[in-house]
Amino acid sequence: NAGVTQTPKFRVLKTGQSMTLLCAQDMNHEYMYWYRQDPGMGLRLIHYSVGEGTTAKGEVPDGYNVSRLKKQNFLLGLESAAPSQTSVYFCASSYAWTAVANYGYTFGSGTRLTVV
Amino acid sequence: DAKTTQPNSMESNEEEPVHLPCNHSTISGTDYIHWYRQLPSQGPEYVIHGLTSNVNNRMASLAIAEDRKSSTLILHRATLRDAAVYYCILPKAGNMLTFGGGTRLMVKP
Repeated sequence: NAGVTQTPKFRVLKTGQSMTLLCAQDMNHEYMYWYRQDPGMGLRLIHYSVGEGTTAKGEVPDGYNVSRLKKQNFLLGLESAAPSQTSVYFCASSYAWTAVANYGYTFGSGTRLTVV
Repeated sequence: DAKTTQPNSMESNEEEPVHLPCNHSTISGTDYIHWYRQLPSQGPEYVIHGLTSNVNNRMASLAIAEDRKSSTLILHRATLRDAAVYYCILPKAGNMLTFGGGTRLMVKP
């Protein structure tokens, strides 16, 4: 099925470890996004990309890096994990202009990350 | 950026209609109104969006006030599967979606 695939689905890290979350979409979307969601809260934008080779900071970018080497993939990296980064991470993608697109953003099912 | 206000929670009975309100009094003339929902332990999913006219799709209807300062998402017959957090969003310039707290809809059998 077409959509957004996130790997891994679950991960436990020790403080100071690094890891990369992978997001892949097969809808030929230009825009891709990484959000985090803490318990009982709405989603907050970490970083986003408006096309292959481009990235930009969102609301809460500190402690994260991203790369968009291929149009279909958007990687989120944690260089030195901290307990404050314990969260559920969602990736999303969309066409260039949400206002005229019929289907808005498509989200992945999330990665649940725990940093101990 | 235009801000939205939604009730924290609402309850509905199964198979009855549900009207989820959203206030956006500072909306500009070019702001689209988007609705997403998030089922438990899942990512958000797009529900519907509109600009001025009422909109219908297979999931829901969107009723937009004439002055566009409020809108209502209508689920015509709530099912247990509709229990979710519903977000009313006005995308920022540049296509960004910002999620507030949303309305938690509880559906009683």
